[in-house]
Amino acid sequence: EDKVVQSPLSLVVHEGDTVTLNCSYEVTNFRSLLWYKQEKKAPTFLFMLTSSGIEKKSGRLSSILDKKELFSILNITATQTGDSAVYLCAVGAGGTSYGKLTFGQGTILTVHP
Amino acid sequence: DTGVSQDPRHKITKRGQNVTFRCDPISEHNRLYWYRQTLGQGPEFLTYFQNEAQLEKSRLLSDRFSAERPKGSFSTLEIQRTEQGDSAMYLCASSRPGSKGEKLFFGSGTQLSVL
Repeated sequence: EDKVVQSPLSLVVHEGDTVTLNCSYEVTNFRSLLWYKQEKKAPTFLFMLTSSGIEKKSGRLSSILDKKELFSILNITATQTGDSAVYLCAVGAGGTSYGKLTFGQGTILTVHP
Repeated sequence: DTGVSQDPRHKITKRGQNVTFRCDPISEHNRLYWYRQTLGQGPEFLTYFQNEAQLEKSRLLSDRFSAERPKGSFSTLEIQRTEQGDSAMYLCASSRPGSKGEKLFFGSGTQLSVL
């Protein structure tokens, strides 16, 4: 059974801090790893990674995938209160499971002013 | 993109009643997914459609659950004889097939409370 584990489960920081969120996975027929931000209801897409070692960046957020060690990290630099959310990691598989994502439990990030 | 739309946003029902939720995907997306999310957990896959065909169903989807996507446009998820354990956020998502992976766009969900 496919499995995604995120750590830490929760994190409290102050504005300006840098945070690193972790995601490890076990999946048959890996295709992609995705990061989502969930503030209130709808998870919103951040990154999709398919190749090892290529860092994706969007402003203060960046992410990298290691397919050999089966993990990914999401970095947020110079955190702001608006970064407070649940960050979800998900893995997509191919074969008969094509299109289905397996999500981790999420990391709750709280940024204090 | 006008986004994925779900209706209703909230539903409170009594145990044993039937409920139906609707999802309107992004117009050019041919794949549509239903997920369920309980408090403190990530979303769990329930089922997905490619156009009007239902291609996969999770074993989480008991006989009381049924989903349809007539004409490959909007979708409905019906839960019959609701139980308290059905209380959760039901999320819909849509996507276009990608060569390397699936980027899903989620709706805001329907929060179901079964009393």
